[in-house]
Amino acid sequence: EAQVTQNPRYLITVTGKKLTVTCSQNMNHEYMSWYRQDPGLGLRQIYYSMNVEVTDKGDVPEGYKVSRKEKRNFPLILESPSPNQTSLYFCASIPLAGGTDTQYFGPGTRLTVL
Amino acid sequence: GQNIDQPTEMTATEGAIVQINCTYQTSGFNGLFWYQQHAGEAPTFLSYNVLDGLEEKGRFSSFLSRSKGYSYLLLKELQMKDSASYLCAVLVAGGYNKLIFGAGTRLAVHP
Repeated sequence: EAQVTQNPRYLITVTGKKLTVTCSQNMNHEYMSWYRQDPGLGLRQIYYSMNVEVTDKGDVPEGYKVSRKEKRNFPLILESPSPNQTSLYFCASIPLAGGTDTQYFGPGTRLTVL
Repeated sequence: GQNIDQPTEMTATEGAIVQINCTYQTSGFNGLFWYQQHAGEAPTFLSYNVLDGLEEKGRFSSFLSRSKGYSYLLLKELQMKDSASYLCAVLVAGGYNKLIFGAGTRLAVHP
């Protein structure tokens, strides 16, 4: 089944404890992206990647890192999480960078930082 | 700057018709998406408009006017399962799939 997977789906952690949220797609998509969703603010892009080893900042990159060593994986790293990073996170992918296809979203990761 | 506006909340009755509006001001335009999102779940694709006019897909239709920076999503024969948030998103030009989202409209369908 064509899909985007994220792990974990739910995570409660404490300030400063490094964590990684994994994202994987099995559709050979070029473009991958991370969003966070907060009430009243909609989805905001954190980082995106147009292909392997090509990543760039979105609108709210502070406090996050990403890597794209393989086409299928695009992990989101929080080196020192803070409470303002409590949010619902979505990974998404598109077949071609620059195309107009809809984004395929993962199921979401609900992160709480205490 | 980039700005997308849609109403925060709407209510409607089962079986009725509801129109959710979206206005946008963006630097560049390469199409407009509508997504449905149930609470705590991922957005799911409803429609994509890049040309002016109305696109109909079953109970859902979407309209675009590029000159007015305006779109609407029309939902007919409302069902309880249509209670969800509806997200308007503009694909801005630039060759890197930049998608700007509105804050979403939360629709409650009542019996």
